[in-house]
Amino acid sequence: QPVLTQPPSASASLGASVTLTCTLSSDYSDYKVDWYQQRPGKGPRFVMRVGTGGIVGSKGDDIPDRFSVLGSGLNRFLTIKNIQEEDERDYHCGAEHGSGSNFGRVFGGGTKLTVL
Amino acid sequence: EVQLVESGGGLVKPGGSLRLSCAASGFAFSSYRMEWVRQAPGKGLEWVSSISSSSNYINYADSVKGRFTISRDNAKRSLYLQMNSLRGEDTALYYCATDYYGAGGLDVWGQGTTVTVSS
Repeated sequence: QPVLTQPPSASASLGASVTLTCTLSSDYSDYKVDWYQQRPGKGPRFVMRVGTGGIVGSKGDDIPDRFSVLGSGLNRFLTIKNIQEEDERDYHCGAEHGSGSNFGRVFGGGTKLTVL
Repeated sequence: EVQLVESGGGLVKPGGSLRLSCAASGFAFSSYRMEWVRQAPGKGLEWVSSISSSSNYINYADSVKGRFTISRDNAKRSLYLQMNSLRGEDTALYYCATDYYGAGGLDVWGQGTTVTVSS
């Protein structure tokens, strides 16, 4: 199963842009990754899924157009443009693997985004 | 409104048992795979278990295999997680979730129920 690696923290100024990275372990370069946003003490919110060709499917409910994704090699990126105060959240990436009797899901450690 | 509501969390001693429930509403529960995900205090998300729509496929994380049992009652629109032989490292906020919109990711989550394992 893949291992997902995320930097523990990131920061950006209000109105600026930031790119968050989720890195897949080697041999899993064709895997899709899901991005989630989470407020402290609340359930995660699905942002969107990304593969090497970019977004897969649709964004989650009410996700602004300021959020976009790209995929390259082992990396899956979430870019937030024109950062707002409400974007200061934890961001998790996840990936499903297998199917049927060997289905599973893994998550990265999460990145805490601070808006300066 | 599509909604998941967890319950059953609490304080339990190491070695004890607890049964979590997740009540679903607003969607055809019996058609969806359901999953449990947990989050230890200050930590990231950890996938715990999944169960297919008709309970044909059940999967567990290695960390809970042999101790936790997932089940569902489609007639009652409910998902369950029986947790036995609880350990301190099982202390977490437990969420139930599902891929409702079919994008592959978990796009509907409950608010979570807290499990604390401590003597």
